[in-house]
Amino acid sequence: SAVISQKPSRDICQRGTSLTIQCQVDSQVTMMFWYRQQPGQSLTLIATANQGSEATYESGFVIDKFPISRPNLTFSTLTVSNMSPEDSSIYLCSVVKTSGAIHTFGSGTRLTVV
Amino acid sequence: KQEVTQIPAALSVPEGENLVLNCSFTDSAIYNLQWFRQDPGKGLTSLLLIQSSQREQTSGRLNASLDKSSGRSTLYIAASQPGDSATYLCAVVDNNTDKLIFGTGTRLQVFP
Repeated sequence: SAVISQKPSRDICQRGTSLTIQCQVDSQVTMMFWYRQQPGQSLTLIATANQGSEATYESGFVIDKFPISRPNLTFSTLTVSNMSPEDSSIYLCSVVKTSGAIHTFGSGTRLTVV
Repeated sequence: KQEVTQIPAALSVPEGENLVLNCSFTDSAIYNLQWFRQDPGKGLTSLLLIQSSQREQTSGRLNASLDKSSGRSTLYIAASQPGDSATYLCAVVDNNTDKLIFGTGTRLQVFP
């Protein structure tokens, strides 16, 4: 399965600022996804990162708040914009090499907004 | 809309016990089902993937079964150890989009 490097692993940010999270994969993958895990909760899908085009967002998530880039088949970024304390969560990227294969997750970014 | 539920929400057992964790889903039109483990504050580790055409998968002390028609999966952990303490998540893969839809999780504690 793919090996994912997700950075940063954690950060403490001031409200109103933005943070960009990077997800680097060691091999080309078909699909990349971004998830949020709020404290004590399960994972919720934010969006599917599409290579060379705009991401596909789930209900309740918008591009202005969570802009996503995917310039190639091994790299994606998620930005959390204009942060508030309610954005404090773990953000995770996941990848799938081919349809129907195992979903592999990065180690996550623990974000605290103060 | 697919909904995935896990029972129990939390479980505390002595070392050596055999365990069954349950996962149920409302829409049987799934591509496959995956079980994950999550340690506190960490990412997810994939444990087992069961394709929709399969009935079960085994890896070491872990065995996962799938009954698609009844919308159920179980994760069986044999001879539990303190190192098994973690949150266990099941997730179904949507037929058309490859998106994961996660269950609510079972927090397991195995004490010596």
